Amino acid sequence: AQSVTQPDIHITVSEGASLELRCNYSYGATPYLFWYVQSPGQGLQLLLKYFSGDTLVQGIKGFEAEFKRSQSSFNLRKPSVHWSDAAEYFCAVGARSYNNNDMRFGAGTRLTVKP
Amino acid sequence: ETGVTQTPRHLVMGMTNKKSLKCEQHLGHNAMYWYKQSAKKPLELMFVYSLEERVENNSVPSRFSPECPNSSHLFLHLHTLQPEDSALYLCASSQEAWRETQYFGPGTRLLVL
Repeated sequence: AQSVTQPDIHITVSEGASLELRCNYSYGATPYLFWYVQSPGQGLQLLLKYFSGDTLVQGIKGFEAEFKRSQSSFNLRKPSVHWSDAAEYFCAVGARSYNNNDMRFGAGTRLTVKP
Repeated sequence: ETGVTQTPRHLVMGMTNKKSLKCEQHLGHNAMYWYKQSAKKPLELMFVYSLEERVENNSVPSRFSPECPNSSHLFLHLHTLQPEDSALYLCASSQEAWRETQYFGPGTRLLVL
């Protein structure tokens, strides 16, 4: 079955520390991969996406993610977290093939930033 | 006004009421989506419209009825809802369906009593 897993429900990091949010997927088709961020009371905003090519993608706000096909992972990273990064982060996987159009989101990881 | 807007932002309704959620996008996109976001559950895709035609319906109960009169507007008509339908309903749009970046509205927080 197709699925997206974000193993960490809640992560707390200190401001200035590095961050890695995990995302694993299970998909039969070639996936399109996304990371979105949601601040309280807001809709989702795209941070970055991967369709093909270089497996290390750069996004907005200093975020990057690396696609590892062998591990079925698309982890999000940031070298130095800012207090304004506190939010909920969603990994999403889309697929389009002749018999399957789908878009799945992970359950989300809530990030708390300590001063 | 730019981006994706949703009205109302908050809605309280009884199980016998009929109400509608509205979504409008000002981005010139061809695809629009309805999602349901419940506490502690993954975001659930409900409906997808591409060029005003429904292309996906993920087994959503018939008490939810979408309408897409043109590429800029999307409605979700609600009738005889259940308390478990209480959630944040998010609308999104993208240039084309599926592989393009989706732009989300702020959502409508729905409470069914």
